Amino acid sequence: GENVEQHPSTLSVQEGDSAVIKCTYSDSASNYFPWYKQELGKGPQLIIDIRSNVGEKKDQRIAVTLNKTAKHFSLHITETQPEDSAVYFCAASRIGTASKLTFGTGTRLQVTL
Amino acid sequence: DTGVSQDPRHKITKRGQNVTFRCDPISEHNRLYWYRQTLGQGPEFLTYFQNEAQLEKSRLLSDRFSAERPKGSFSTLEIQRTEQGDSAMYLCASSPGTSGSEQYFGPGTRLTVT
Repeated sequence: GENVEQHPSTLSVQEGDSAVIKCTYSDSASNYFPWYKQELGKGPQLIIDIRSNVGEKKDQRIAVTLNKTAKHFSLHITETQPEDSAVYFCAASRIGTASKLTFGTGTRLQVTL
Repeated sequence: DTGVSQDPRHKITKRGQNVTFRCDPISEHNRLYWYRQTLGQGPEFLTYFQNEAQLEKSRLLSDRFSAERPKGSFSTLEIQRTEQGDSAMYLCASSPGTSGSEQYFGPGTRLTVT
């Protein structure tokens, strides 16, 4: 089955700096890669996703890049703000059948003033 | 609020008791998923419904677990004879299916087995 590894497990940045979180996946058939933000006591919130036919996608301060050959994808957050502090999860799945998500182990992002 | 809702938000039970959780998906989403999340880990897939049909179950879903989605709308997850190892956050997600792969999660039910 699919295996997703995520690094780093914790990340501390100063407000205004950029943050990068990296994930690798094992199943070359995976073709959908969402990122979720989870705040304490809440469910994961979808913040951005990318499909395998696209190499990069941006949404305001958030961007995701995908390298299919290397089987890794990354989340980039620019101009970080204190409200970006949360746990971020990457995930992978195959569109079409169950499309069940396999998640990474999460990155705790702390944005300090 | 038209998001995914789950009830209850918290449940404390004694070992050996049965518990049932409910999930109401986003209206008209035909796919519904259950995941389990333990502390410090990402969610793990448990089971999946396409309308009222349960199409896939994880090996994590032991015989003590059963899920239903009787009319293709809300879903229930029941755990019989709970064990301390069942303590976790149980998350429900829904998806429009077909061309939409996005899964939207509810707030979860935190289960504590004492």
